[in-house]
Amino acid sequence: DGGITQSPKYLFRKEGQNVTLSCEQNLNHDAMYWYRQDPGQGLRLIYYSQIVNDFQKGDIAEGYSVSREKKESFPLTVTSAQKNPTAFYLCASSIGGVTEAFFGQGTRLTVV
Amino acid sequence: DAKTTQPTSMDCAEGRAANLPCNHSTISGNEYVYWYRQIHSQGPQYIIHGLKNNETNEMASLIITEDRKSSTLILPHATLRDTAVYYCIVRVPNNAGNMLTFGGGTRLMVKP
Repeated sequence: DGGITQSPKYLFRKEGQNVTLSCEQNLNHDAMYWYRQDPGQGLRLIYYSQIVNDFQKGDIAEGYSVSREKKESFPLTVTSAQKNPTAFYLCASSIGGVTEAFFGQGTRLTVV
Repeated sequence: DAKTTQPTSMDCAEGRAANLPCNHSTISGNEYVYWYRQIHSQGPQYIIHGLKNNETNEMASLIITEDRKSSTLILPHATLRDTAVYYCIVRVPNNAGNMLTFGGGTRLMVKP
């Protein structure tokens, strides 16, 4: 089945460690996105990528990094510079135009 | 992209129609109205979108006022599984990477 997969679903890390969240899609979508969601809040855009080897900062990119070496993959690294990394992270992809975005099921990151 | 205003929360009786309003008074002529919903701890799910005509699909109906400054998402026969946060978004397709900007949404509680 086609879809967008995030792994793992739950992730625990110690403070000061970098951690990479995986996002893979087999929908042949050009555009991919990372969002962060805090409890009771809406989604905030971290990074997005329109095409392989290109990506742009969103509203809250500080403390995060991404890469887009393959069309199917858009991993997000939460670095030690991110002051409050504990959150629910959502990845999405879209084909562009007047079409909907497809979201993964999210990764809940807890930093202790 | 234009901003939207939605009520923070709404209740609906199971089996009745749920009417979720959205104000987007600064919408421009080439911006579409999109609706997504997010069930607790899952990724958002696309529901429907429209430009100026009313739209209907298997999930919902979208009614857009003639001046396009507001819209209503209608779930004709709400079930308990429709309990979720509903996001109204207005955006120009192909604008800046097709990113979606989510506000706080409306928390719909469907009650037995």
